[in-house]
Amino acid sequence: KNEVEQSPQNLTAQEGEFITINCSYSVGISALHWLQQHPGGGIVSLFMLSSGKKKHGRLIATINIQEKHSSLHITASHPRDSAVYICAVCPMDSNYQLIWGAGTKLIIKP
Amino acid sequence: NAGVTQTPKFRVLKTGQSMTLLCAQDMNHEYMYWYRQDPGMGLRLIHYSVGEGTTAKGEVPDGYNVSRLKKQNFLLGLESAAPSQTSVYFCASSYISRGETQYFGPGTRLLVL
Repeated sequence: KNEVEQSPQNLTAQEGEFITINCSYSVGISALHWLQQHPGGGIVSLFMLSSGKKKHGRLIATINIQEKHSSLHITASHPRDSAVYICAVCPMDSNYQLIWGAGTKLIIKP
Repeated sequence: NAGVTQTPKFRVLKTGQSMTLLCAQDMNHEYMYWYRQDPGMGLRLIHYSVGEGTTAKGEVPDGYNVSRLKKQNFLLGLESAAPSQTSVYFCASSYISRGETQYFGPGTRLLVL
């Protein structure tokens, strides 16, 4: 069993829909990251969370440490949000190595 | 600032050939990482460096070597390429570790025939 599980693996939605991508993990962590990988391949960091909630534009990330679960929400989705969204966690006992989820491929249709 | 750059962007090798991938960052970051990304799998750490002159093995180090002679550069070498090393390679850097944000290069696509 992977230590970081993302769901769904693939998601197709219509422009304007509210999107939720989930990340569950099985280890104690010091931080959780959400990243976006564009169709061209580039990877950018969206959020780093250790508790609560963060918002940036139409993106909202939440984390529940007790339940070992995080969600990434996109409001008023747009075709340019089409990308792979990746969750990664930093285990408590690690100084360097993140544990990576396999990613969620999101397609927003106009 | 250019951020993190990688060269080359794409390369085709024959089995047994060698090559070096170069990663450069201009953010004065201490930590640098090499990952590989394969379809359907998460990023896997090959090697990492916590500072100039230091390197360490990650999750999948076999078949690769690295060097960090200068703080801004991190080189990944394949001494004798194998088809199993066909992948997309990403370099990343961070100011410090302990879960800090990593900044990624654009990736190198490597095909080993």
